[in-house]
Amino acid sequence: DAGVTQSPTHLIKTRGQQVTLRCSPKSGHDTVSWYQQALGQGPQFIFQYYEEEERQRGNFPDRFSGHQFPNYSSELNVNALLLGDSALYLCASSLVAFYYNEQFFGPGTRLTVL
Amino acid sequence: GDSVTQMEGPVTLSEEAFLTINCTYTATGYPSLFWYVQYPGEGLQLLLKATKADDKGSNKGFEATYRKETTSFHLEKGSVQVSDSAVYFCALRRTQGGSEKLVFGKGTKLTVNP
Repeated sequence: DAGVTQSPTHLIKTRGQQVTLRCSPKSGHDTVSWYQQALGQGPQFIFQYYEEEERQRGNFPDRFSGHQFPNYSSELNVNALLLGDSALYLCASSLVAFYYNEQFFGPGTRLTVL
Repeated sequence: GDSVTQMEGPVTLSEEAFLTINCTYTATGYPSLFWYVQYPGEGLQLLLKATKADDKGSNKGFEATYRKETTSFHLEKGSVQVSDSAVYFCALRRTQGGSEKLVFGKGTKLTVNP
C-alpha cells in the first residue's frame, strides 16, 4: 500500500515564477492538506481540500492556490514566487469519515527560490 | 489563536539517557494533541497522540500525558537510542466546520550519541 507521494522531490525557481507541486494521497483517503515548513520551523497549515473544494485556509496570501481532482490527488500552485517561499512543502492525507482522522504525511517537496 | 510552544533545542544526549521534551499549548477547548517525528530527509511520522485530558499516548518507548491543568503534553523516554536522533514536533488539532488543521510547535532537534 503506497503512502502519500509527492512530486517533484526538489525544485529550483527564480523570483516571480510560478510553481505547481503535486500530491497523491494514501490509498482510501479523500482529504488532502498542505503545509509549508520553513527551515528550522514547524509546518504551517496552508489549506485543506475535500470533495474538490477548499474547506479551510491558513494565513497565506492568494498567491497560494490549490486544486483537488476526482481521484483525490491534489496540486498546490504558488504564483509570483518570493525568496521567502523557499521551504519544504508537505502534503498530508486523511479520511474524513472517521472521527479521529489521522493525517499521514508525504516526504515533501523542497522548493528553493533564487 | 491556537499555538504550541516547545522547549528549544538542540538537545544532545548519550545513549540510554532519559529524555524529556517540554510542550505547552494555548487553545480554546480541549484539542487533540500529538507528537510527530521527522527523520533527516523524510516527512513527518505520527509518534503518539492523546485525544482528551489525562490520556497517555505511548509508542516505541515514548510517552506523553495530556495535562489539562497545565496545558502541557511533555514527551518522555526512559532510555534513548542513537536511532531516536530526529526532530520532534508537538502539535494540536483544531477542528472547524468539519475540517481540521494541525498547529505545530517549532520542533526540537534531538541528537543521541553512542
